[in-house]
Amino acid sequence: EAAVTQSPRNKVAVTGGKVTLSCNQTNNHNNMYWYRQDTGHGLRLIHYSYGAGSTEKGDIPDGYKASRPSQENFSLILELATPSQTSVYFCASGDADWGTSQNTLYFGAGTRLSVL
Amino acid sequence: GDSVTQTEGPVTLSEGTSLTVNCSYETKQYPTLFWYVQYPGEGPQLLFKVPKANEKGSSRGFEATYNKEATSFHLQKASVQESDSAVYYCALSDTRTNAYKVIFGKGTHLHVLP
Repeated sequence: EAAVTQSPRNKVAVTGGKVTLSCNQTNNHNNMYWYRQDTGHGLRLIHYSYGAGSTEKGDIPDGYKASRPSQENFSLILELATPSQTSVYFCASGDADWGTSQNTLYFGAGTRLSVL
Repeated sequence: GDSVTQTEGPVTLSEGTSLTVNCSYETKQYPTLFWYVQYPGEGPQLLFKVPKANEKGSSRGFEATYNKEATSFHLQKASVQESDSAVYYCALSDTRTNAYKVIFGKGTHLHVLP
């Protein structure tokens, strides 16, 4: 069974509307991430979290907020959606191991968002 | 800052031919290097990782050697199959400099023709 689950899988939103993308993980990992995937850009980090109650800015945080209310759940919030935020969004959990350089990510299946 | 550069795609091959996807990285530390694969309609998944310089990783017939001197981690497969059609991402992590960040290349889209 999937350990990282995203909802919804597809979303159509209107410009200026509020969009919330949800992610749930059963890996019991401390770290969670939101990426967007666009042709020519690959995977770009929006926000990440290292535990319940924490959120940190990634490389492209403008226009996005994040919320981590529990170990299992991490949400991405678009307060005022714009057409430039049309993309595929991936959530991931990571098993970062202090003392080594390893941090393997486990991804969900993605949410395809269209902002009209 | 840290960065990863890989072969720009798409790469189109016939079944049975060999594959090389180049990956070069920049970092001041000693990272773990990864190859992820993303099949259509799915999220990326780990193909394999190599935490130590001069060691080789492999999975499903793919392999790559962590070359610290050349700062490279090229993905190779001797004979590709149609089912290998996917996007391949090279990535690095270094929890000693940033506990949480994983740096990805832009991805290489592989099409294998029957």
